[in-house]
Amino acid sequence: QKEVEQNSGPLSVPEGAIASLNCTYSDRVSQSFFWYRQYSGKSPELIMSIYSNGDKEDGRFTAQLNKASQYVSLLIRDSQPSDSATYLCAVRSNTGKLIFGQGTTLQVKP
Amino acid sequence: DTAVSQTPKYLVTQMGNDKSIKCEQNLGHDTMYWYKQDSKKFLKIMFSYNNKELIINETVPNRFSPKSPDKAHLNLHINSLELGDSAVYFCASSQPGAANTGELFFGEGSRLTVL
Repeated sequence: QKEVEQNSGPLSVPEGAIASLNCTYSDRVSQSFFWYRQYSGKSPELIMSIYSNGDKEDGRFTAQLNKASQYVSLLIRDSQPSDSATYLCAVRSNTGKLIFGQGTTLQVKP
Repeated sequence: DTAVSQTPKYLVTQMGNDKSIKCEQNLGHDTMYWYKQDSKKFLKIMFSYNNKELIINETVPNRFSPKSPDKAHLNLHINSLELGDSAVYFCASSQPGAANTGELFFGEGSRLTVL
């Protein structure tokens, strides 16, 4: 079992729709969770972090964490073509390492 | 003013050759990393240095040797290159401790192609 798992996609949504990206992790003691966005040919950049169960909102982005289910998600409201990218879920292990999932490719169609 | 810079951005080389990638950060961070991203976009940590000391050394062939001459620089030397080494190598930095939000600052990546 991979430590951090994501569906590689592609996930295709129409412009203006809600995109829902999901991630599961295997280490039950993990405490810190992150979403990075990576445009094609570019480096990853942090867009959201979440540490407590529940929702965390930042503009059009909402991160959701459920530690009991070992599940993290990212919702993007009013999706724009400029949101088309690969979204990487990352989990900080108890050794301090940041472990990435393989990413979900999101395509927002005009 | 680039925060994390890597050189070269592209390397094309033959199997069996040796190559180096250099990384420098001007953010004043204590911790630097090398990550490898394969063709399936899987980003995997290789090494981490904190203030010039090796703190993470994943299961990486010993053909890969990192060197940190000071806390602002982390270089990666690869001996006897193999086809499977073809990937994008990202350097990153972060500040550990209470100030660490989990944010890694990545360089632009160095795309290595082994023929």
